[in-house]
Amino acid sequence: AQSVTQLDSQVPVFEEAPVELRCNYSSSVSVYLFWYVQYPNQGLQLLLKYLSGSTLVESINGFEAEFNKSQTSFHLRKPSVHISDTAEYFCAVTSFYGQNFVFGPGTRLSVLP
Amino acid sequence: DTEVTQTPKHLVMGMTNKKSLKCEQHMGHRAMYWYKQKAKKPPELMFVYSYEKLSINESVPSRFSPECPNSSLLNLHLHALQPEDSALYLCASSQDRGIGGNTIYFGEGSWLTVV
Repeated sequence: AQSVTQLDSQVPVFEEAPVELRCNYSSSVSVYLFWYVQYPNQGLQLLLKYLSGSTLVESINGFEAEFNKSQTSFHLRKPSVHISDTAEYFCAVTSFYGQNFVFGPGTRLSVLP
Repeated sequence: DTEVTQTPKHLVMGMTNKKSLKCEQHMGHRAMYWYKQKAKKPPELMFVYSYEKLSINESVPSRFSPECPNSSLLNLHLHALQPEDSALYLCASSQDRGIGGNTIYFGEGSWLTVV
């Protein structure tokens, strides 16, 4: 079984500042990792995912995440945030024979002007 | 734009009403899901259909009844709901389930209020 921890429930940051949203997972088998974003009053959208290969993955809107197996982490980063990045961010994990996604509790990113 | 379409976007129903939520996907996916999401919480899995067969029912009360008419459609029939069932109901789909990191794609959700 897998589990996901997102230690920060809320992260306030000023516009154009860098941000890191933390995600740690627990699993006895190899994992696949995902970040989803949920804008206010909307469904979840896939932001980026790690399946295999390069441990650094990027999204089209400037976010990146790095898979660190030794630290069991998949932290999400952006060097300069915009007001429009204000949203809830969910980290999720599954495994090769995983039947379901396991979601973390979410981190609320608030970008302040 | 999401390729998983949900209707209606908003639904208000009384505790004695019968209503349905509908979901459609045209990505050729063979797995479809219903999730329930309360405010400030992650989605909670309710049901999974794989190749049009119910494969997971996460101990959901019988007042929620899923139906998969074909590989593109998924319904959630609602009857005798309680106010605590008010939530965002998310439909999702993936190419397959159980093997390899299949991405789950979500719809915009249906906001349900039970009065």
